[in-house]
Amino acid sequence: QQQVKQSPQSLIVQKGGISIINCAYENTAFDYFPWYQQFPGKGPALLIAIRPDVSEKKEGRFTISFNKSAKQFSLHIMDSQPGDSATYFCAASGSAGTASKLTFGTGTRLQVTL
Amino acid sequence: DAGITQSPRHKVTETGTPVTLRCHQTENHRYMYWYRQDPGHGLRLIHYSYGVKDTDKGEVSDGYSVSRSKTEDFLLTLESATSSQTSVYFCAISEGLPNTGELFFGEGSRLTVL
Repeated sequence: QQQVKQSPQSLIVQKGGISIINCAYENTAFDYFPWYQQFPGKGPALLIAIRPDVSEKKEGRFTISFNKSAKQFSLHIMDSQPGDSATYFCAASGSAGTASKLTFGTGTRLQVTL
Repeated sequence: DAGITQSPRHKVTETGTPVTLRCHQTENHRYMYWYRQDPGHGLRLIHYSYGVKDTDKGEVSDGYSVSRSKTEDFLLTLESATSSQTSVYFCAISEGLPNTGELFFGEGSRLTVL
């Protein structure tokens, strides 16, 4: 049962362009939505995260947009750079308990070309 | 980088043999997790631990067992490996602050079951 659906599966963007990755969730108990970045041969690392009390969060070139009514959130990478080439995972968790039991999307492989 | 060490990093084994993967942390974090990563599935939680000798199942726990006898070590055991357990396994840790969602991942253990 896929509780977090992520698209697209892969994405090719030119240097300087905008990369957009979308996620949708089903469980209304989710109230924390992080994005993880993974480089080949490495473990995922937290990139940016948002809670549903705000509709947007920006950190440098990375922005999360959140639509609670549609149960969707997205990652925008402005001025994409070759160094951004990686796999990106959206995730979600609920506040029941204190264990961070994240449910991950299936991942988007981003390639930024010169 | 978070002090997480996974061993072995690579292992090839045969169907039916037992396999143990080890995760060692130097951060004294309360929570430890085992995820598996497979193409098209993202990261899926196998088991997690919320303290010494306290563990619980994740969404794909069948065929796996875990143990945590010390804060710093979390072991994942495949009692009788099957080809469907060929995967990359990631250990993660978190401080367990309510619903932060921030996990710190190790660099993964690639397991091939022939």
